[in-house]
Amino acid sequence: DVKVTQSSRYLVKRTGEKVFLECVQDMDHENMFWYRQDPGLGLRLIYFSYDVKMKEKGDIPEGYSVSREKKERFSLILESASTNQTSMYLCASRSQGFETQYFGPGTRLLVL
Amino acid sequence: GEDVEQSLFLSVREGDSSVINCTYTDSSSTYLYWYKQEPGAGLQLLTYIFSNMDMKQDQRLTVLLNKKDKHLSLRIADTQTGDSAIYFCAEVPGNTGKLIFGQGTTLQVKP
Repeated sequence: DVKVTQSSRYLVKRTGEKVFLECVQDMDHENMFWYRQDPGLGLRLIYFSYDVKMKEKGDIPEGYSVSREKKERFSLILESASTNQTSMYLCASRSQGFETQYFGPGTRLLVL
Repeated sequence: GEDVEQSLFLSVREGDSSVINCTYTDSSSTYLYWYKQEPGAGLQLLTYIFSNMDMKQDQRLTVLLNKKDKHLSLRIADTQTGDSAIYFCAEVPGNTGKLIFGQGTTLQVKP
């Protein structure tokens, strides 16, 4: 079974803090994705990565950056957290050439 | 543009059938997906349908695809309280590799 793990289930941070969300997948997938989920808006793509050290902006990249130094790990960084970044963050991965994405359990972030 | 629409809420009684509907805009989507999200959890792939099919059945789940109307539905037979969750419809337009999600339909199953 594909396993996608996220470092934290719940996080509470203060406005202005730098926040790191980590995602690890164990299936040697080339592609990895970060989404945020908000009620009534569904999931929106923040960033994705096709390969190590490669990244592409999604639909809502503002206020976020990412890092992919190793194939299995994709990090989402909030350089200076703001209250409007309070949300559920979901990581996903997929194998190149296959469209099905597999999701982690999510990190619920609260920014005070 | 790319857009996926779902109704936000559906309530059924245990044992009834549930039908969750979805409309999408990109006719080039190769696969269309249904994901399930239980409370506090991530998304679980429930089923998917290839765009050259019009129906797929998997145990209690039936997916119907009407490409002409760009309409996708998920039918759950004999709905159980454990089916209470948010159900997301998603498409992958063209060769983008990006999933476009609907807003999610919250299914409430009453005993």
